[in-house]
Amino acid sequence: ELKVEQNPLFLSMQEGKNYTIYCNYSTTSDRLYWYRQDPGKSLESLFVLLSNGAVKQEGRLMASLDTKARLSTLHITAAVHDLSATYFCAVVPGYALNFGKGTSLLVTP
Amino acid sequence: DGGITQSPKYLFRKEGQNVTLSCEQNLNHDAMYWYRQDPGQGLRLIYYSQIVNDFQKGDIAEGYSVSREKKESFPLTVTSAQKNPTAFYLCASSIAGALETQYFGPGTRLLVL
Repeated sequence: ELKVEQNPLFLSMQEGKNYTIYCNYSTTSDRLYWYRQDPGKSLESLFVLLSNGAVKQEGRLMASLDTKARLSTLHITAAVHDLSATYFCAVVPGYALNFGKGTSLLVTP
Repeated sequence: DGGITQSPKYLFRKEGQNVTLSCEQNLNHDAMYWYRQDPGQGLRLIYYSQIVNDFQKGDIAEGYSVSREKKESFPLTVTSAQKNPTAFYLCASSIAGALETQYFGPGTRLLVL
């Protein structure tokens, strides 16, 4: 059975701090996605990582992929309140996305 | 503006009732998907369609049905056989298949009366 595990599931961090969210998956996948979801809202695509060693950055967020370790990380640099949301990783083992349970991030002053 | 629309935003279902959730896209995407999200959970695939007049069951298809008569439309019916339908339902589409980025609609929240 495919497993996509994110940790931590909940994260409270102070503004200005750095932190990393981890996404482990149990089977091979051609690519890995990161999505953001604000409370009560839909999902917004952040990154798609296509190959081993891929790194993508957008603002204070940087995502990386290690396909050999089946691990992706989402690094947050100098967090600001606007980054408060739930972040999902998802892999594509076959016909559709398989999601982790999400990491709920709260950035506090 | 191109995008995905879902309606209604909120839907109430009575015991034994079938209800239909609408999903329309004007992105000219071939593939469309329905996901269910429960509180504190990731999304789970209900049905997907890679082309008009064809669709496949996902991981949790029991109690749901779909149709794909037009490229831009992929309605989901929650039947009375679905005993625990309360959830947030998200429709998505992609250019062609799961290897392309999926774009999500705003969602429909279904509640049982």
